[in-house]
Amino acid sequence: KAGVTQTPRYLIKTRGQQVTLSCSPISGHRSVSWYQQTPGQGLQFLFEYFSETQRNKGNFPGRFSGRQFSNSRSEMNVSTLELGDSALYLCASSTIGGDSSYEQYFGPGTRLTVT
Amino acid sequence: GQNIDQPTEMTATEGAIVQINCTYQTSGFNGLFWYQQHAGEAPTFLSYNVLDGLEEKGRFSSFLSRSKGYSYLLLKELQMKDSASYLCAVRDDGSNYQLIWGAGTKLIIKP
Repeated sequence: KAGVTQTPRYLIKTRGQQVTLSCSPISGHRSVSWYQQTPGQGLQFLFEYFSETQRNKGNFPGRFSGRQFSNSRSEMNVSTLELGDSALYLCASSTIGGDSSYEQYFGPGTRLTVT
Repeated sequence: GQNIDQPTEMTATEGAIVQINCTYQTSGFNGLFWYQQHAGEAPTFLSYNVLDGLEEKGRFSSFLSRSKGYSYLLLKELQMKDSASYLCAVRDDGSNYQLIWGAGTKLIIKP
């Protein structure tokens, strides 16, 4: 079974630009969560999608948005990039969203550098 | 508020035992997860506790005390490959089952 895939793996953008990151969950997984990770920081939760609906949202500004498609693939978008948005963006999928013991499986991440 | 505390860094010797602690304060509780993350890689699942007690899985064990808001991850017979960050996360059913993550504990194994 293929794992979680994220594209692109690396990205360099300039301040003010926007970026779209993509995540394909494990086949059969309907929940997709997005995280931001910076050096020395834990995983900062961005949002979770389940069956095309945003189930949870973290404390990030409105410049961060996401969506999920009917095939469970998800995208996140960051508009008006700032230097502080440079980070590793991780996507994780699980069988069932939210209220279950099912663990999350993480993709390799997209490393975004904003210059 | 929601808060998860872990030591920032720990050092242990190859072949020894190390215990990584995690304390949490969340509005609700619906399970606690431990993940391992090697440098430059994605986190991978290690263990899940929802009831009090010890869960053993090979060289790794995880303990939970819900009344104390406390968990630990116990690693036995340490190997060099265990050098990694260990992340504690709590599923908070008071916040729509969101996973709340600790900052992680960087474990350094010395020969």
